[in-house]
Amino acid sequence: EAEVAQSPRYKITEKSQAVAFWCDPISGHATLYWYRQILGQGPELLVQFQDESVVDDSQLPKDRFSAERLKGVDSTLKIQPAELGDSAMYLCASSHQYGIPGELFFGEGSRLTVL
Amino acid sequence: AQTVTQSQPEMSVQEAETVTLSCTYDTSESNYYLFWYKQPPSRQMILVIRQEAYKQQNATENRFSVNFQKAAKSFSLKISDSQLGDTAMYFCAFMKHQTGANNLFFGTGTRLTVIP
Repeated sequence: EAEVAQSPRYKITEKSQAVAFWCDPISGHATLYWYRQILGQGPELLVQFQDESVVDDSQLPKDRFSAERLKGVDSTLKIQPAELGDSAMYLCASSHQYGIPGELFFGEGSRLTVL
Repeated sequence: AQTVTQSQPEMSVQEAETVTLSCTYDTSESNYYLFWYKQPPSRQMILVIRQEAYKQQNATENRFSVNFQKAAKSFSLKISDSQLGDTAMYFCAFMKHQTGANNLFFGTGTRLTVIP
């Protein structure tokens, strides 16, 4: 069964360092999402792509976060510099353009700890 | 703005029993979708069940069913014949009915433990 792949699963870094997360969506899924899930809270959307174009990045802290999906397939989320408050699970999800509305397929996430 | 509230941080249920998870939401939209997502320990989040707001009939998926009260803005999940594999975080989520943007607004989750 096709799955959303994310790496790394775990990342420990010191504040002010750069960190990057990678996501490979399910083949054929044009829409890709990055969510941030802080411990004890629900996921919050950071950025949504339709193919290679950004659809919604209104909640992305653009002074330190960037996201790209250059060829409309896999995507990278970068944080530079990392801050203590960035410690969270970063979830990638994808959906089919003509799939069930709201049915997102999530990866296992990348857990970031900033020391 | 949309808000989704799950007032039960943790719940437990005996195996084979029935449990209901609560969710309320606030929106000015008239047409929208509601969802329950399940996040098992160290596993990816998956969709359990969805409800379209314009449908009065409550959605069901095998042992999972919802009680959708549109006027009260309430959307509870009932799990019948609970199984050990139901142990997970359960998130209620809201999505506006609009083309292109599948932005889900999630609640804070309910941690469900099924006790053998």
